[in-house]
Amino acid sequence: SAVISQKPSRDICQRGTSLTIQCQVDSQVTMMFWYRQQPGQSLTLIATANQGSEATYESGFVIDKFPISRPNLTFSTLTVSNMSPEDSSIYLCSVGLTVNTGELFFGEGSRLTVL
Amino acid sequence: GENVEQHPSTLSVQEGDSAVIKCTYSDSASNYFPWYKQELGKGPQLIIDIRSNVGEKKDQRIAVTLNKTAKHFSLHITETQPEDSAVYFCVLPGGNTGFQKLVFGTGTRLLVSP
Repeated sequence: SAVISQKPSRDICQRGTSLTIQCQVDSQVTMMFWYRQQPGQSLTLIATANQGSEATYESGFVIDKFPISRPNLTFSTLTVSNMSPEDSSIYLCSVGLTVNTGELFFGEGSRLTVL
Repeated sequence: GENVEQHPSTLSVQEGDSAVIKCTYSDSASNYFPWYKQELGKGPQLIIDIRSNVGEKKDQRIAVTLNKTAKHFSLHITETQPEDSAVYFCVLPGGNTGFQKLVFGTGTRLLVSP
């Protein structure tokens, strides 16, 4: 298994500002992902965080809005830029330990409220 | 991409009853079918999964059944308990990066009343 710590756990932000969410894993992992969960909704994959190269974004998500860093195999950050109320969501970091096990481990999420 | 439909969106049962949640999918190449449980304030957690070479898998009070011909798979919870109250997601692999690029269903909020 993997233990994932996310910071902050929650925050209230002002419109137009940016916030960086940190994800720390207790072991080296190859696969790391960022998901968004809007209020009362399902999870949507934002991007795959690649160590040593640019993140791979899903349709509808762009680097300028959600820049991602992955400096090593245990840490990643997601920035939500120029926030608007529509960005109010839970942002979740997840990791996979091996390609073929099929199991993802999730952090507890970072709940952002944009006023 | 993969399309997955999940029903019902909410389910209320009495403690001790059974609960069934069903998902249908569109991609016939799918061969891995996990279910995740999300408790309030936490991230989702894998509770059971099944591969396409079997039709049913059971783990204590939970089971998953798969019908590849009809393209649907279901989660069955027997003898429900209040701690089963959570949101349940059926999930499918959504890409070619192994099994881990996941597409989540719309979710079912299960409420088990004592």
